[in-house]
Amino acid sequence: DQQVKQNSPSLSVQEGRISILNCDYTNSMFDYFLWYKKYPAEGPTFLISISSIKDKNEDGRFTVFLNKSAKHLSLHIVPSQPGDSAVYFCAASAEAGFGNEKLTFGTGTRLTIIP
Amino acid sequence: SAVISQKPSRDICQRGTSLTIQCQVDSQVTMMFWYRQQPGQSLTLIATANQGSEATYESGFVIDKFPISRPNLTFSTLTVSNMSPEDSSIYLCSVGSQGRAFFGQGTRLTVV
Repeated sequence: DQQVKQNSPSLSVQEGRISILNCDYTNSMFDYFLWYKKYPAEGPTFLISISSIKDKNEDGRFTVFLNKSAKHLSLHIVPSQPGDSAVYFCAASAEAGFGNEKLTFGTGTRLTIIP
Repeated sequence: SAVISQKPSRDICQRGTSLTIQCQVDSQVTMMFWYRQQPGQSLTLIATANQGSEATYESGFVIDKFPISRPNLTFSTLTVSNMSPEDSSIYLCSVGSQGRAFFGQGTRLTVV
């Protein structure tokens, strides 16, 4: 049972345009959501997070939107740059904070930025 | 943020043998987590390691196959026992801090 789903295994976007990565979840107990970026031969790197009490969080070129009623979140990257080419994982937690960040990950979306 | 070092970064092992992966953190943390990423798959939590107590395993993972040690607040090991080709994966150590999980670079294991 995949509790966090990323239905697009891959996405190609022209450099300078907006990249939109989507994620759906099924577990209503999830209250904290994160996006990670992963390059080959490296561990995932934290990008941005959002608490369930918010519907938007922005950090530079990265914005995460949360729609709790739809159990859907998305990551917007604008403008997209070649260095953004990587696999992006959506993750969720029902126990965030206090050093207990146990995560459930989506299957990942491979983003390719076309120069 | 936490800096996490994992050893080895990669290994090729014969089936039936065991491999121990080490994870060192640059600060004291209460909980450490071990994940597995099988080829083309998501990251799946294997177990949570607390210092001073037995690790808590997720469904589908057992202590006999993946014994874990947590001797202090900055170090943990994961052993992959009696390996088969199906154990070929990336194994990742993680710690949590202020609502984020930080990861080591992973150990790429190939079982032949």
